[in-house]
Amino acid sequence: QQPVQSPQAVILREGEDAVINCSSSKALYSVHWYRQKHGEAPVFLMILLKGGEQKGHEKISASFNEKKQQSSLYLTASQLSYSGTYFCGTEGARRLIFGAGTRLAVHP
Amino acid sequence: DAGVIQSPRHEVTEMGQEVTLRCKPISGHNSLFWYRQTMMRGLELLIYFNNNVPIDDSGMPEDRFSAKMPNASFSTLKIQPSEPRDSAVYFCASSTSRGRIYEQYFGPGTRLTVT
Repeated sequence: QQPVQSPQAVILREGEDAVINCSSSKALYSVHWYRQKHGEAPVFLMILLKGGEQKGHEKISASFNEKKQQSSLYLTASQLSYSGTYFCGTEGARRLIFGAGTRLAVHP
Repeated sequence: DAGVIQSPRHEVTEMGQEVTLRCKPISGHNSLFWYRQTMMRGLELLIYFNNNVPIDDSGMPEDRFSAKMPNASFSTLKIQPSEPRDSAVYFCASSTSRGRIYEQYFGPGTRLTVT
């Protein structure tokens, strides 16, 4: 079953923060985050394998709440290069099921 | 490494024609995935292979679609006959797999237009 992402779209000014949420009605074994820039392929950001795990790369970090069956992606002090569509993916039946995506636009 | 290679990058064909999309995964990766992306349906998994064996093809829309992986370095996705509703971007991705799903590396995609 497809995970649900919220919000569907976000518009930011450079330097502002954003949170993207991903939730599932089924138990989550892992959560994957990808970013896709316009006209390009999705690019892997990070995987969270355990409940309570948090990861970060530069100013993008994520948390995984296993009990709540949700994950959140945090973008701090956004940069123009953060613009794109962010997908979460949940693992089920040995396949990755992607959410519908959250479109993020960062303006100067 | 050159990354995942897909060809062609763009394909325009007429309804009823056969279309073959090609993919070369990253060397050493043992899992290969074919995805289709459209505005309406988002990113959908069509089929995936593990060690050249099809594991899950439940996402293949219908019998018009078929995929093969004759060896570890090559896979094809074929649509015969093609229809306008098949117009989409088709991505191939590869990864290592040891029972869990790890990071997937996507190719640049093939943009298919069926008129």
